[in-house]
Amino acid sequence: DARVTQTPRHKVTEMGQEVTMRCQPILGHNTVFWYRQTMMQGLELLAYFRNRAPLDDSGMPKDRFSAEMPDATLATLKIQPSEPRDSAVYFCASAITGVSTYEQYFGPGTRLTVT
Amino acid sequence: SQQGEEDPQALSIQEGENATMNCSYKTSINNLQWYRQNSGRGLVHLILIRSNEREKHSGRLRVTLDTSKKSSSLLITASRAADTASYFCADAGNTPLVFGKGTRLSVIA
Repeated sequence: DARVTQTPRHKVTEMGQEVTMRCQPILGHNTVFWYRQTMMQGLELLAYFRNRAPLDDSGMPKDRFSAEMPDATLATLKIQPSEPRDSAVYFCASAITGVSTYEQYFGPGTRLTVT
Repeated sequence: SQQGEEDPQALSIQEGENATMNCSYKTSINNLQWYRQNSGRGLVHLILIRSNEREKHSGRLRVTLDTSKKSSSLLITASRAADTASYFCADAGNTPLVFGKGTRLSVIA
């Protein structure tokens, strides 16, 4: 049963610390998405990659967030330094894109709390 | 990519009743998808309706698409407590998918 995995599931950290979230997309999927969800803003797209190349990261605060895909099986999202307003649930999703329509498969999310 | 707007924001019904939620767009819709999110989980794809379809069924789900009105509706019949979740629509013709704030459905047993 193929699924997207994310680690850690929960993270509590102090303001100013670095946070790294990891995602393993479904094998064979060529596109990875990072979303952030809060009660106030809903589900926001932060960045996405196709074939490991970043296509759009305009939703990400550039000064503190960075997203990478070191290889096809791993996507990372880093926050440095973290701030309390970064507290949210971060979701990774993967898909096979480039076809007429596609379905996104979401991971379970990383719940981040910055104190 | 355009963001759909789900309506209502929240809906509370009794078990066994039908639940209807709507999705509207400002510009034309291509294929449209509905997703469900249970509390504390990621979104799960429910159903896709293509732009040349007007209605589609999947189990207790019925989706309609009106491209002239730029809107879609999701009907859940004979609701169950397990249907309690948030429901999102997304224009499937675009990469990436952009989601609205969803409809929070509460089904009371």
